[in-house]
Amino acid sequence: AQTVTQSQPEMSVQEAETVTLSCTYDTSESDYYLFWYKQPPSRQMILVIRQEAYKQQNATENRFSVNFQKAAKSFSLKISDSQLGDAAMYFCAYRSALQGGSEKLVFGKGTKLTVNP
Amino acid sequence: GAVVSQHPSRVICKSGTSVKIECRSLDFQATTMFWYRQFPKKSLMLMATSNEGSKATYEQGVEKDKFLINHASLTLSTLTVTSAHPEDSSFYICSARDWGDYRSGYNEQFFGPGTRLTVL
Repeated sequence: AQTVTQSQPEMSVQEAETVTLSCTYDTSESDYYLFWYKQPPSRQMILVIRQEAYKQQNATENRFSVNFQKAAKSFSLKISDSQLGDAAMYFCAYRSALQGGSEKLVFGKGTKLTVNP
Repeated sequence: GAVVSQHPSRVICKSGTSVKIECRSLDFQATTMFWYRQFPKKSLMLMATSNEGSKATYEQGVEKDKFLINHASLTLSTLTVTSAHPEDSSFYICSARDWGDYRSGYNEQFFGPGTRLTVL
């Protein structure tokens, strides 16, 4: 079974600074997707960024970028120029990409990010 | 982006009663929907996968008779918590999977806003 581990229960960053959230995962599959989701106090899950395992290039979405290290099974999220609105719970998630495989998302325990003004 | 709604957003019920939660995909058809449960300050745990026109697939440890799932149409899945007890109090979230990109094979899951269930 796949597992996702987020070793930082809480992180804080000063506004306009950069912060990196860590995530490691375990799988025996070769084809999969990795995600970072944001859950603000409203509890609405918001997709931040997605990475396909077959792509070597790290995904980027504006101020959000990932460092995907497939061999190390590591998938960290970097938030640049942090804004107050970035404060939220961040969940790392795994999903199989195998044809006919399970499409369920496996979530880590989350990291609570606080942004200080 | 695609929109998924949940109704109700909050519900309070007495112990022993049943509660139905609806999950709707508003602007797309979803053959598959997922139901999650989230305890305070905890992660999302998948309860079951709901497929239109067929029986739901439950995760290990989830009571099928307790959490009834019906996916009767391509835009609606319902979760009924039967004979609810205080330990069923939680935040329930659904997600709906779109048809996806036929070229890449990738399909997106869109999340509803969640339903907070409180059982007294």
